[in-house]
Amino acid sequence: SQKIEQNSEALNIQEGKTATLTCNYTNYSPAYLQWYRQDPGRGPVFLLLIRENEKEKRKERLKVTFDTTLKQSLFHITASQPADSATYLCALPKGRSGYSTLTFGKGTMLLVSP
Amino acid sequence: ETGVTQTPRHLVMGMTNKKSLKCEQHLGHNAMYWYKQSAKKPLELMFVYSLEERVENNSVPSRFSPECPNSSHLFLHLHTLQPEDSALYLCASSRTAGETQYFGPGTRLLVL
Repeated sequence: SQKIEQNSEALNIQEGKTATLTCNYTNYSPAYLQWYRQDPGRGPVFLLLIRENEKEKRKERLKVTFDTTLKQSLFHITASQPADSATYLCALPKGRSGYSTLTFGKGTMLLVSP
Repeated sequence: ETGVTQTPRHLVMGMTNKKSLKCEQHLGHNAMYWYKQSAKKPLELMFVYSLEERVENNSVPSRFSPECPNSSHLFLHLHTLQPEDSALYLCASSRTAGETQYFGPGTRLLVL
């Protein structure tokens, strides 16, 4: 069956450092992968989409990599700030073509301390 | 603000009550979704509507009944719920089914 794994333990880092979050998947051949941010008691907010033919995507302090051989995506936040503290979710489409809903991982909580 | 609103934001109901959750999107999207999020669990997709037609129902109990009167509005009618149905219920929309989703703030539901 299809599985998405994100580190369930919270990641604690100091302000200014780079945070790296991991998303591993099995039994998927996704055409793309998405990352979302979720704050407590709020809905997820879309951050980035990376397609299977893209190795890396950047947006301001965010960088996402996508390795379809390893079946893994890494999500980096450089120069992290306390305001980056949140849960980060990766999401994959169930199928490859046409209409396909997203399946979300459980998410990894990031805590950035001053 | 994502352009997706949900009301109420908080709801407490007894197991014999009937209530409805409302979602409205102002983005001109054609697809809308209901998700359930319980503590320590991933988002669970409940229903998907595309152009007001239900295209997916993920084995959700019949005590949850969705309604999509038009592409901007989505309801989730609740009746005879159980305490384990207590969760954050999230609505989302996308331009077409399967594209990037925009979520509302959610309704925190407590069933007593």
